[in-house]
Amino acid sequence: GAGVSQSPSNKVTEKGKDVELRCDPISGHTALYWYRQSLGQGLEFLIYFQGNSAPDKSGLPSDRFSAERTGGSVSTLTIQRTQQEDSAVYLCASSADRGGNTIYFGEGSWLTVV
Amino acid sequence: GENVEQHPSTLSVQEGDSAVIKCTYSDSASNYFPWYKQELGKGPQLIIDIRSNVGEKKDQRIAVTLNKTAKHFSLHITETQPEDSAVYFCAANPGGTSYGKLTFGQGTILTVHP
Repeated sequence: GAGVSQSPSNKVTEKGKDVELRCDPISGHTALYWYRQSLGQGLEFLIYFQGNSAPDKSGLPSDRFSAERTGGSVSTLTIQRTQQEDSAVYLCASSADRGGNTIYFGEGSWLTVV
Repeated sequence: GENVEQHPSTLSVQEGDSAVIKCTYSDSASNYFPWYKQELGKGPQLIIDIRSNVGEKKDQRIAVTLNKTAKHFSLHITETQPEDSAVYFCAANPGGTSYGKLTFGQGTILTVHP
């Protein structure tokens, strides 16, 4: 497909377990973003990658959260030792660059921590 | 940091009426203001955006106005249809740099009654 692809679409995990969420951006897009949307809340910026530059991690809520982007394309968001408050929709977005181009969101990965 | 306030939180209109959603922002360096529509179970979809060098932009039944002096911007939907029912989010880019590192409003649930 031509859009941002995320997997899994739904994930239920036990408290304390680690989870990995994957994002495949639109082909050719150099900028990739992760956002979190908690139930009834707005969207919260987590991290973004632009080309080979060091990622902007200013939105990560704790050191249990990390992300990487291999080969300038696919990205993985990892949450270690999950807590119930981590339950949310994790949205990935991409854009052609960090400057004047709009971003396009994927459908999200719905994470439930029980 | 940037603070984006969005009002109203819910909006109910009759089909054919107009709907207006308003947002204010705090960072005077912000220069990009997108609006997203989110349907249940889906990722946000960009519907219109405006940059700070213009005061108004229209796309068919949708328009956005921007008042940089007052730091507020509004979404106008005319001739509303039931398929316009969704959650709408405004956003701004703090610092005026990346168009993808956004601060979002809390969202407006729009319901259009047939």
